[in-house]
Amino acid sequence: GAVVSQHPSRVICKSGTSVKIECRSLDFQATTMFWYRQFPKQSLMLMATSNEGSKATYEQGVEKDKFLINHASLTLSTLTVTSAHPEDSSFYICSATRYGTVNTEAFFGQGTRLTVV
Amino acid sequence: EDKVVQSPLSLVVHEGDTVTLNCSYEVTNFRSLLWYKQEKKAPTFLFMLTSSGIEKKSGRLSSILDKKELFSILNITATQTGDSAIYLCAVEKETSGSRLTFGEGTQLTVNP
Repeated sequence: GAVVSQHPSRVICKSGTSVKIECRSLDFQATTMFWYRQFPKQSLMLMATSNEGSKATYEQGVEKDKFLINHASLTLSTLTVTSAHPEDSSFYICSATRYGTVNTEAFFGQGTRLTVV
Repeated sequence: EDKVVQSPLSLVVHEGDTVTLNCSYEVTNFRSLLWYKQEKKAPTFLFMLTSSGIEKKSGRLSSILDKKELFSILNITATQTGDSAIYLCAVEKETSGSRLTFGEGTQLTVNP
């Protein structure tokens, strides 16, 4: 199957600092990537849809100025959590879409555990 | 508003038991329903269902979709401790290009 690499897998940062998370599709081109957030014992909640070469589309209630998304190439999308606060501590997961002739399938990165202290 | 509801939210069984996990949905422009298994990190893909009544099977796991009643079930037979995980159901819409709406998940614990 296709591989999506997410980095870092774990990060601890101080309140007020910014953290950048990378999501790369290693063996296919992904025109669309998705960013999800998961709080403990809860499901994945879509934050935004990242489109290569254009602005991201954010879900209702997600602050675009706080969660900056850049999708500069067909294999890389980044999520930057700006001025992080303890309530931003969560598990962030990206997925990338590979378009096939039969199926369109989403492949997930390994996730990033963010802890803001 | 699109909705995906899973039940039960939590389930504890003994090794060897058979379990059935449920997923119902209300979405416009339905395209497919997907099942994922999530252990400690990212979800791993189990099944994609697009047609009603066709069972998909992989080892001890199987799943089927009912597009008339808008639900799917995931069956696991002869459960093992390694099956312990969160099982997530997600729905994809025709126009969404793999933008998934997830249910709350079912936390399955299989005790020895």
